[in-house]
Amino acid sequence: GIQVEQSPPDLILQEGANSTLRCNFSDSVNNLQWFHQNPWGQLINLFYIPSGTKQNGRLSATTVATERYSLLYISSSQTTDSGVYFCAALEAGGFKTIFGAGTRLFVKA
Amino acid sequence: DTGVSQDPRHKITKRGQNVTFRCDPISEHNRLYWYRQTLGQGPEFLTYFQNEAQLEKSRLLSDRFSAERPKGSFSTLEIQRTEQGDSAMYLCASSYTSGYTDTQYFGPGTRLTVL
Repeated sequence: GIQVEQSPPDLILQEGANSTLRCNFSDSVNNLQWFHQNPWGQLINLFYIPSGTKQNGRLSATTVATERYSLLYISSSQTTDSGVYFCAALEAGGFKTIFGAGTRLFVKA
Repeated sequence: DTGVSQDPRHKITKRGQNVTFRCDPISEHNRLYWYRQTLGQGPEFLTYFQNEAQLEKSRLLSDRFSAERPKGSFSTLEIQRTEQGDSAMYLCASSYTSGYTDTQYFGPGTRLTVL
């Protein structure tokens, strides 16, 4: 089955800094999503982005499906951005969504 | 619409007992997913329903696990003869498929502890 790898595994930022999180996937996918899991465990969807670029406030994401990767950009980070960021890919031709291991982000005030 | 709800939020049980969890998806969402998440890991796919049909089931889901989605509305996940290794957060998500999006919305999860 498809493999999803995220980097870096851990990231510590000073408030106001920018960062880029990466997600690599091993095979063709039908869709690609980014989620934020807050410290209380709730998963919040950030982007549905099988290809192209999207922006939502300080966050933006780009997926290059032909090269099998996606990037999540966080600009002007805030302490409330802390948590775990997951990417999740739906296998092409299937119904199984595979999550990466996540990037754990801590933003210091 | 209040989003995806799950019940109970916490469950403590003794090894060998059966447990059942419920998920109520967002109204009119035709897709429903169950995942399991252990500490420090990403969610692991368990099973997928399109309306009432169970179309995909992970090999992680042993014969002690069963899921249903009668009438394509709420779903239940049952674990029989629980083992300590079943302790985890069980997450439910739903989505509505259109030509442009298939975003999954997650519930708060049910945390299972098997003693």
